[in-house]
Amino acid sequence: GQNIDQPTEMTATEGAIVQINCTYQTSGFNGLFWYQQHAGEAPTFLSYNVLDGLEEKGRFSSFLSRSKGYSYLLLKELQMKDSASYLCAVTSNNDMRFGAGTRLTVKP
Amino acid sequence: DADVTQTPRNRITKTGKRIMLECSQTKGHDRMYWYRQDPGLGLRLIYYSFDVKDINKGEISDGYSVSRQAQAKFSLSLESAIPNQTALYFCATAAVAGITDTQYFGPGTRLTVL
Repeated sequence: GQNIDQPTEMTATEGAIVQINCTYQTSGFNGLFWYQQHAGEAPTFLSYNVLDGLEEKGRFSSFLSRSKGYSYLLLKELQMKDSASYLCAVTSNNDMRFGAGTRLTVKP
Repeated sequence: DADVTQTPRNRITKTGKRIMLECSQTKGHDRMYWYRQDPGLGLRLIYYSFDVKDINKGEISDGYSVSRQAQAKFSLSLESAIPNQTALYFCATAAVAGITDTQYFGPGTRLTVL
C-alpha cells in the first residue's frame, strides 16, 4: 500500500517563502504531483516530478528525492491568493494516492 | 466552457435512496476517475476507467458503482445512499501520456445523505 504524509496546516507571511514537505512510502513509484486546491474548488495541477531534483515553475518549485521518499513544494514571494490547500499525490502502477493536504494561510 | 463538468453540483438526499452523479468532459481524454474528499482524509479514489470497456475499482469502491457510457461520460451511482457517503465528489480526466498522468478535475458535487 501507500502512505503519504504532509503537515496539516501552515501559516506564512505575505512576501515570504514557505516550504511544504511530503513524505511517502510506496512500491512501483512512477511520479509525484503537487496540486493546489482553494476552499470549495477543484484541485488544479501545479507540478510533476519523476526524477530526482528540483523543478522550477515561476514562483513555485518542487523537489523530489526518490531514495528518501521525500518531496517538497517551495512557494516564493507569497501572495494572499496562495492561501489554499496543497495536495501531494503519488502515482504507482496506474494508481494515484493523495495525501490529506496542507492548508496554507498567508497573512499580511 | 469548462472542460470537465459535473451534475448536480449539490444534492441532498435521504438514506436508502439511489443517487447518480454525472461527469462529462470535452478534453478528449481516455482516462476518467471518481474521487471523494472528506476533511482530514484527502482525496480517495472510488473507481477509474482507462477507456469505454475498462472499469477498475479504486481504494474505496464498496457501496458505489460506475458506468462509462462513452469516452466523454462517466457516471457514479450510489445504489442505496447512507450518511457516511456524505462528502465532496470529484470527477477527473487524464490523457494517456505514459507516466505523465496529470489529472484535470471537475468542479465537484457536494452530496449530503440525511
